Amino acid sequence: AQTVTQSQPEMSVQEAETVTLSCTYDTSENNYYLFWYKQPPSRQMILVIRQEAYKQQNATENRFSVNFQKAAKSFSLKISDSQLGDTAMYFCAFMILTGANSKLTFGKGITLSVRP
Amino acid sequence: NAGVMQNPRHLVRRRGQEARLRCSPMKGHSHVYWYRQLPEEGLKFMVYLQKENIIDESGMPKERFSAEFPKEGPSILRIQQVVRGDSAAYFCASSSLLAGANTEAFFGQGTRLTVV
Repeated sequence: AQTVTQSQPEMSVQEAETVTLSCTYDTSENNYYLFWYKQPPSRQMILVIRQEAYKQQNATENRFSVNFQKAAKSFSLKISDSQLGDTAMYFCAFMILTGANSKLTFGKGITLSVRP
Repeated sequence: NAGVMQNPRHLVRRRGQEARLRCSPMKGHSHVYWYRQLPEEGLKFMVYLQKENIIDESGMPKERFSAEFPKEGPSILRIQQVVRGDSAAYFCASSSLLAGANTEAFFGQGTRLTVV
């Protein structure tokens, strides 16, 4: 079974600063996908960034980047130049694509507050 | 290209009534996931379905809950004889599960169920 762990329940960052959200996972699979989703107060789940496990290069999307350490099974999200609109819950998630195990497994999430 | 559509957005039921939550996946997606989110908590996996098949229902309560994804029409999550503890936001996600750069799960806006 796959598990995703987000050990920090909440974090706070000053506007324009950089913050890193941690995530670890456990799997015996070799090919999988990792995601960070954002859930603002509107409750809509929004994909922030995606990483394919077979790619060594860390994914980046504008101010968002990941530090993917496959051997350590770690997948942290770095938000640069934090903005007030980044205030939300952030969920780390894991997906494999084979047969009955093809489900998206989420961590418990972290509440990020950006202070003005 | 409409996204994942869930309805209703809000549903109020009295204890003992039935709740039916609908999810229309994105066009071309044949995989649907249902998640439950309690206030201030993460998303808990409930069930994973493909057309006319339940692939993984390990997160579904043994009683009162059922899900289907017929050949035609939306996926339905059905909760019989609702109790106060069923009050939560229920999210549906869909995916094509085609491996590649566009692999991701798209979420609906959720249905907030309130049992009074």
